[in-house]
Amino acid sequence: DIQLTQSPSFLSASVGDRVTITCRASQGVSSYLAWYQQKPGKAPKLLIYAASTLQSGVPSRFSGSGSGTEFTLTISSLQPEDFATYYCQQVNSYAITFGQGTRLEIK
Amino acid sequence: EVQLAESGGGLIQPGGSLRLSCTASAFTVSTNYMTWVRQSPGKGLEWVSTIYSGGNTYYADSVKGRFTISRDNSKNTLSLQMNSLRAEDTAIYYCTRGYCTDGSCYSAYWGQGTQVTVSS
Repeated sequence: DIQLTQSPSFLSASVGDRVTITCRASQGVSSYLAWYQQKPGKAPKLLIYAASTLQSGVPSRFSGSGSGTEFTLTISSLQPEDFATYYCQQVNSYAITFGQGTRLEIK
Repeated sequence: EVQLAESGGGLIQPGGSLRLSCTASAFTVSTNYMTWVRQSPGKGLEWVSTIYSGGNTYYADSVKGRFTISRDNSKNTLSLQMNSLRAEDTAIYYCTRGYCTDGSCYSAYWGQGTQVTVSS
């Protein structure tokens, strides 16, 4: 199975900061990568798919980039509602895998 | 509005069986890409199983041979039959509906989840 490693696993930041989360795949996944946001007690929410396409209704401060084995999720200016856990997911193979998650907390 | 509602979770002894259901609203399960994803307490997300609109099914190695994904077209529901349950199957189970584009599908819609606890 394709392994996804996110870095960092934990991130402390302030409102207004620009933050970047990285997701590295153990083998190439082309652009078949998504990012999800999960808040405590809630189901995950799709933010970005196909590595860089913003899901409908997601604020434009979120952006994604990358292809192959290295991907990034960037939040240009953190808002209070963005503090959550973020997961990357690859769908390049039938055996879908997720990264271990990045917990974003308020500094 | 697309909605997914899981049910059927609960407390079950190791070795037991449980059947989860996911009732869909505002779309037809049988013509969509559907998955089950689980999340163990305090842990990350783990893909469990997928069923494509054409009927092909896929499973994570951790559940292969024990879990079966299926659809009931008359009830517009997705199911997950779980047999030979183990403590490590304890998790919240989510059903998802995919958004498919350019040959790949992403979990665009999620239910609220149902808790499965395997313990004696």
